[in-house]
Amino acid sequence: GAVVSQHPSWVICKSGTSVKIECRSLDFQATTMFWYRQFPKQSLMLMATSNEGSKATYEQGVEKDKFLINHASLTLSTLTVTSAHPEDSSFYICSAKLARRPEQYFGPGTRLTVT
Amino acid sequence: SQQGEEDPQALSIQEGENATMNCSYKTSINNLQWYRQNSGRGLVHLILIRSNEREKHSGRLRVTLDTSKKSSSLLITASRAADTASYFCATDREYNFNKFYFGSGTKLNVKP
Repeated sequence: GAVVSQHPSWVICKSGTSVKIECRSLDFQATTMFWYRQFPKQSLMLMATSNEGSKATYEQGVEKDKFLINHASLTLSTLTVTSAHPEDSSFYICSAKLARRPEQYFGPGTRLTVT
Repeated sequence: SQQGEEDPQALSIQEGENATMNCSYKTSINNLQWYRQNSGRGLVHLILIRSNEREKHSGRLRVTLDTSKKSSSLLITASRAADTASYFCATDREYNFNKFYFGSGTKLNVKP
């Protein structure tokens, strides 16, 4: 149980375009989902916390107009990287948790390359 | 922002040996979790330890927590080549158990 999927697993896009990444909890309802970013050989940096039906909460230093997060249902959150630049190239990972449980379950990640 | 630091940054051992990784964090916590990440992949949850627990076991894994020192350790006994991965600790903050912040990670290489 507690499987989280991400789509796509990798994407290449041109500078200036927008890219949407989906995160789904497959066998449970996730009250909260999280988006992380990971640079090569580095740790995960929390970008934002997403609760179903409400606005995402962004960590300090993360541009909310650039990284649009939508959590439309208890099983789906999306991250849209708008007007992508090469410096946005990274590994984006989502996670999901059940209400009142601390464990987070991670998706397999999406590798974004902006050319 | 990152919450913790792990050491060592890299660890190379022979199959069958034990591997110990340490994690230190800065603020009071409710829970601490350990995760494994194989290269370029997502994270696998290994074990969660609560702030009122001192030690926890799961198979070949043993986790300790010392809240007075704000540190935790992960011991992998009888390591296998398949244990080769990066290991991260993640901590919440005392007044917000929803969000977890990751340490810098330890890259473990188990040589066959």
